[in-house]
Order: sequence, then C-alpha cells, then structure tokens
Amino acid sequence: AQSVTQLGSHVSVSEGALVLLRCNYSSSVPPYLFWYVQYPNQGLQLLLKYTSAATLVKGINGFEAEFKKSETSFHLTKPSAHMSDAAEYFCAVSDSGYSTLTFGKGTMLLVSP
Amino acid sequence: NAGVTQTPKFRILKIGQSMTLQCAQDMNHNYMYWYRQDPGMGLKLIYYSVGAGITDKGEVPNGYNVSRSTTEDFPLRLELAAPSQTSVYFCASSYEAGGGGELFFGEGSRLTVL
Repeated sequence: AQSVTQLGSHVSVSEGALVLLRCNYSSSVPPYLFWYVQYPNQGLQLLLKYTSAATLVKGINGFEAEFKKSETSFHLTKPSAHMSDAAEYFCAVSDSGYSTLTFGKGTMLLVSP
Repeated sequence: NAGVTQTPKFRILKIGQSMTLQCAQDMNHNYMYWYRQDPGMGLKLIYYSVGAGITDKGEVPNGYNVSRSTTEDFPLRLELAAPSQTSVYFCASSYEAGGGGELFFGEGSRLTVL
C-alpha cells in the first residue's frame, strides 16, 4: 500500500527566505510522486511530478523537488519565497501509472513580509 | 475551455436529506474522481471512474453513490445526509490514470449538514 507523510502542518517563512516542505512516501514499487498547490477557495493544481526520469524535477513558479530513493523523500524547495506562494501544498503518490493518487495531509505555507 | 465545473458551490442540508453534486468536464478525459477534503486530513478518494459506465469505490465510499453515463458527467449522490458528511468536495479528471497523468480539479462544493 502506498502512503505519504508531510512533516509539519504549517511552515512559516519570511519573504525572500528558502522554502522547504517535506514529504516522505511509502510504496512497494517505484513510485510516481507529485506536488499540488491549493490557493484559498480554489481546487488543487499541479506544481510538478516525478515519473522516474530525472531525480531533480522543476515545476512552475520556481519550485523544484528532488527524489531521493534512499531516504524515500520528495521534498519541495524554492530558493526565495514570495508573498504569492502562501497556500496549502499537498504531496501525493501513486505506485503505478494505473492506480489512483494518495494525498498527504497538506502543509500550509505562510509567508510574512 | 471551462475545465472541470462543479455545482453547487455551497449547500446546506438537513440531516436525512439527499442531494446530488454535479461535476462536468469538457476535456474529453476518461478518468474522473471525487474527493472530500477535511481540515488537516488532506484529500480522501470517495469514488472514481475510468470511463463511461465504469465506477469503483475509493477509500471512503460509505454514504455516497456515483454514476457515469457519459464521458463528460460524473455526479455524486449523497443519500440520507449526516453531519459527518460536512466537507468540501472536489471533482477531478485526468487524461491518463491517476499515476501517470495530471489531475484537473474543480473549484469545490462546500457542503454543510445540520
């Protein structure tokens, strides 16, 4: 069975600081991994995805994530936070191209001026 | 393109009432999903469909029913509403199966059961 753990329900950073959102997964086979973002009162939208190509994945809005098999991690980073990055971020895993996604509980990113 | 459209956006139900949440997509996606989102709990899959006429249960199907008579529409039926069904419901669709494809989400339907 697949599962995702997001460490920290809330993360606070200052504008311009590094953003690091943590995600660890559990999967019995090589996984597909995703990060989605949800802005207030909206649905989720895809930030980036890992599907066994390059281990460093670049997404939209300057975000990137690195797949580390030895650590079963897929942490999301951005070098410099912007006020517009304030949102809830969800990590998700699928253990094959044909199964459904399992989402983590989400991490709310708060950005202060 | 409208993408994924959900109606209604807000609804208040009394315990024991029934209702249908509508979901329509105009991207010709075969795969469609219903999730519920509760604070601090992430998204839980209720039902999904891999094509017209085919549906399957997700993680939390009890108290819900779905149908998929066309590629475009995937309504979610709540029978005998209970306070535990107070939640935000999201419909999503994808071109490929969930692991391979991007999910496109609607804006959500906020349901309160009193």
